[in-house]
Amino acid sequence: DAGVTQSPTHLIKTRGQHVTLRCSPISGHKSVSWYQQVLGQGPQFIFQYYEKEERGRGNFPDRFSARQFPNYSSELNVNALLLGDSALYLCASSLRGQRLSYTFGSGTRLTVV
Amino acid sequence: RKEVEQDPGPFNVPEGATVAFNCTYSNSASQSFFWYRQDCRKEPKLLMSVYSSGNEDGRFTAQLNRASQYISLLIRDSKLSDSATYLCVVTPSAGNMLTFGGGTRLMVKP
Repeated sequence: DAGVTQSPTHLIKTRGQHVTLRCSPISGHKSVSWYQQVLGQGPQFIFQYYEKEERGRGNFPDRFSARQFPNYSSELNVNALLLGDSALYLCASSLRGQRLSYTFGSGTRLTVV
Repeated sequence: RKEVEQDPGPFNVPEGATVAFNCTYSNSASQSFFWYRQDCRKEPKLLMSVYSSGNEDGRFTAQLNRASQYISLLIRDSKLSDSATYLCVVTPSAGNMLTFGGGTRLMVKP
């Protein structure tokens, strides 16, 4: 079975641009969460979606948005990119948003120049 | 104050050594506790859950002290392959989000 897949794996953007990151959960998993990991720090929670509805939001500005599609895949969008948005963006899927069953994808490494 | 605090290390230990990591959390209502392992430039992977009664998985032992809001991980007989960053993770009383500490880096040397 395929694990959590994220695309692209690497991305370079310019300040002020917009970016869309994509995540496909493990088959049968209905919950997707997004985390940002800045170099040298632990991951920080951005969003959680379950059954296409937002179920949680971390302390991130409105420039960050996300959605979940009927097939449970998800997109994370970031507008007006700042240098500080450079990070590894991780997607985690789980069956019903249960913390014990989280599986992370290998992430998208975003560099903003 | 950070919600979950860890000593960033690095801890440099020889093969075969026993090493212990500690973690403190600020929210006394936290419900679940975990240790994750993260290899360089890879995703975090669940190492083990942590229970008040303590739990062991092979060479790894985890302990939770709710009164002191303190979590520990003990690794016995360290292997070169144990070299990684160990992330302490706590979940709040509501919701399923994971709150990560900054991680403790372990380097096991021959």
